[in-house]
Amino acid sequence: GNSVTQMEGPVTLSEEAFLTINCTYTATGYPSLFWYVQYPGEGLQLLLKATKADDKGSNKGFEATYRKETTSFHLEKGSVQVSDSAVYFCALIGSARQLTFGSGTQLTVLP
Amino acid sequence: NAGVTQTPKFRVLKTGQSMTLLCAQDMNHEYMYWYRQDPGMGLRLIHYSVGEGTTAKGEVPDGYNVSRLKKQNFLLGLESAAPSQTSVYFCASTPSGAIAKNIQYFGAGTRLSVL
Repeated sequence: GNSVTQMEGPVTLSEEAFLTINCTYTATGYPSLFWYVQYPGEGLQLLLKATKADDKGSNKGFEATYRKETTSFHLEKGSVQVSDSAVYFCALIGSARQLTFGSGTQLTVLP
Repeated sequence: NAGVTQTPKFRVLKTGQSMTLLCAQDMNHEYMYWYRQDPGMGLRLIHYSVGEGTTAKGEVPDGYNVSRLKKQNFLLGLESAAPSQTSVYFCASTPSGAIAKNIQYFGAGTRLSVL
């Protein structure tokens, strides 16, 4: 079956630091890949997505590139802000149209 | 601009009690889902529906039942609550369009404690 493995947290960074959260996946076929973000007390929101190999998803300064050869979809941001503090989930959707999530990475950005 | 609305937001149950969680979406989406979120485990799919009157089991369906009598509503029932069902429950929906259906829209969650 499908699975997603992401970097364990928590991750604590200072404001303006560089962020990387690793995500690798196992799936049959060619899944679409997603990063969702969950702010405190809220539901998940789509942050970015990529639907085929070498696609780069980007939003709010975050980027992730679909790497089929390494089955990875690492999330990066060049300069994090306090407002980026949240839990980040990597996910994939396969042929059954069901999302498979990673375990989530808690990010805390300190001023 | 409601999107996906879950009720209630919080609930405490005693072991053996029953309850129903309601999910309502106003976006005319075909697909709806119920997940549970537990620490260190991400979200796991309980049940889902691909349209009015249809339901299917997800990854962790035991102890739960669902119904989709109206397109906009997806109900999750616990017939006899157990402490292992203490969790945060999220509902999500997605349209049936070729590309758009891959994006799921989430409610704010229901925090359930079973004592």
